[in-house]
Amino acid sequence: DAMVIQNPRYQVTQFGKPVTLSCSQTLNHNVMYWYQQKSSQAPKLLFHYYDKDFNNEADTPDNFQSRRPNTSFCFLDIRSPGLGDAAMYLCATSTAQGEQFFGPGTRLTVL
Amino acid sequence: AQSVTQLGSHVSVSEGALVLLRCNYSSSVPPYLFWYVQYPNQGLQLLLKYTSAATLVKGINGFEAEFKKSETSFHLTKPSAHMSDAAEYFCAVIGGAAGNKLTFGGGTRVLVKP
Repeated sequence: DAMVIQNPRYQVTQFGKPVTLSCSQTLNHNVMYWYQQKSSQAPKLLFHYYDKDFNNEADTPDNFQSRRPNTSFCFLDIRSPGLGDAAMYLCATSTAQGEQFFGPGTRLTVL
Repeated sequence: AQSVTQLGSHVSVSEGALVLLRCNYSSSVPPYLFWYVQYPNQGLQLLLKYTSAATLVKGINGFEAEFKKSETSFHLTKPSAHMSDAAEYFCAVIGGAAGNKLTFGGGTRVLVKP
């Protein structure tokens, strides 16, 4: 089945230790998104790519970076995680009509 | 700017009772509207979408929603709640200046009582 895959599902890191979250898709969609979701809140968009065209939301912290080496893969790098970065991170892809397909998420814990 | 308002952050229903989740939107152009469901520690799953075709939209798991332009609403209903419907529900809109970026409502958590 075509899908959005996120690895790992649970990630534990230490305060200040860089961490990378991975997303891959078999839907062949041009657009990919990274969201941060904190408890009892709606997802908050961090970045999106249209093909390799990178779009950063204005309020995304500089601590967050992203890479998209090809259509199928996208990475979220957190350079120096703080306690406030503990959250669920969701990857999504979309059709040209805008319907978004979400991965299962990676829950990040910062110790 | 677009916005989405979900009335009620928590809704409690009895098993077998009607589920009604309210969503109102503001958009300067005809929107595409979505309802997503999120189970604990999972991603968001699309329940249904409105894309300017039929105003009554049927989705998965017995849910449906009606687009009412005059009321700028897109309320989600299910005639008979099941225990498995306990989850968080998000209404979202795309269109206008935001392009294809989703604007989410604040979410409604549904609790189903036996």
